[in-house]
Amino acid sequence: GQQLNQSPQSMFIQEGEDVSMNCTSSSIFNTWLWYKQDPGEGPVLLIALYKAGELTSNGRLTAQFGITRKDSFLNISASIPSDVGIYFCAGQRVGNTGNQFYFGTGTSLTVIP
Amino acid sequence: EPEVTQTPSHQVTQMGQEVILRCVPISNHLYFYWYRQILGQKVEFLVSFYNNEISEKSEIFDDQFSVERPDGSNFTLKIRSTKLEDSAMYFCASRPGTGNQPQHFGDGTRLSIL
Repeated sequence: GQQLNQSPQSMFIQEGEDVSMNCTSSSIFNTWLWYKQDPGEGPVLLIALYKAGELTSNGRLTAQFGITRKDSFLNISASIPSDVGIYFCAGQRVGNTGNQFYFGTGTSLTVIP
Repeated sequence: EPEVTQTPSHQVTQMGQEVILRCVPISNHLYFYWYRQILGQKVEFLVSFYNNEISEKSEIFDDQFSVERPDGSNFTLKIRSTKLEDSAMYFCASRPGTGNQPQHFGDGTRLSIL
């Protein structure tokens, strides 16, 4: 199946530090998305990116859709304890049948107060 | 804000039994999905459903699995003759019918096979 490689696998940072994670694929996607998952809950959409080169912010989060359409990154500025969780990237190809999403392997973020 | 709801939140079933997981997608959405997440692993696509039929399915979605939209609001995943390795979180998602709109996920059903 489709492989989205996400890095780093885990991060331990001090509160207030900035965070950067990225996702790469061997295939092109039309849409890149970033989700956060808290324990025992479903993924919650953080940012959706629809065009190559697009840079989008949502509060302290910034994500970019890579020019090649094969990668994306997510930055979190001035981290706070509630940023703790697992962050997943997802790529989507749009088709007539509403194509499936492919999820990255996840980045586990721990913020130390 | 409308949300995808899933029931039950936790299902415990004996190996070999059938189980039905239920989802109520967001009401004006047209595409529906099931995903599986084994503990500690990434979310894996199972199946997508549109216009009352399966539009895509992964290699995980074998003859043991089936989906149904029995009425205008529910979307179900049935697993026949469950196996130990079916233990996982199962997430339902839905999205509108237009363009690149992202999927919205439910909180999942934790399935434990004994």
